[in-house]
Amino acid sequence: DAKTTQPTSMDCAEGRAANLPCNHSTISGNEYVYWYRQIHSQGPQYIIHGLKNNETNEMASLIITEDRKSSTLILPHATLRDTAVYYCIVRDTGRRALTFGSGTRLQVQP
Amino acid sequence: SQTIHQWPATLVQPVGSPLSLECTVEGTSNPNLYWYRQAAGRGLQLLFYSVGIGQISSEVPQNLSASRPQDRQFILSSKKLLLSDSGFYLCALGPWRGAREQYFGPGTRLTVT
Repeated sequence: DAKTTQPTSMDCAEGRAANLPCNHSTISGNEYVYWYRQIHSQGPQYIIHGLKNNETNEMASLIITEDRKSSTLILPHATLRDTAVYYCIVRDTGRRALTFGSGTRLQVQP
Repeated sequence: SQTIHQWPATLVQPVGSPLSLECTVEGTSNPNLYWYRQAAGRGLQLLFYSVGIGQISSEVPQNLSASRPQDRQFILSSKKLLLSDSGFYLCALGPWRGAREQYFGPGTRLTVT
């Protein structure tokens, strides 16, 4: 699986949009971009995934650049409960498991 | 919807003692099941996966073993715990392959003293 690079930490004001970037410059054509988050002492929670097109669900939006070398996860109205470590994962659909890196620690400030 | 149960939630065990962690799932049949471990401040490491009863594959040589006695039950075991076995153990279910998400259980925090 391609390697991803994320900032170690970010802050966001409550009620504002949180934009979490991810670099995956070595991504190949059959690799998807997944986002998970892990709130302290809990199991990771799936957020969203995509291949080429931008995706949106009830939790977040995923913006993938045209060259697919980077993406941004957008939490439109961050709340204190969104404070967590966010993982960007690139995965070949032929792989059986996810490879988690260090992620971005997002702190939502009141 | 799919639900994953893990127990115990926390466990403190001495070095050399045995271990048994249990994972059961609801809301799905013939799931692909996974055991991950997360050491403090680190990412997740895949330990075992199973595509069916009695079918276990190991990703990394470990002091651990896994078994799948029933379709929706996955057990992680050790005969003698090491200090390095401390961590957060997560059971997950998901696709064998394909572009779908994995779902994780609440985890078991193991401290080996």
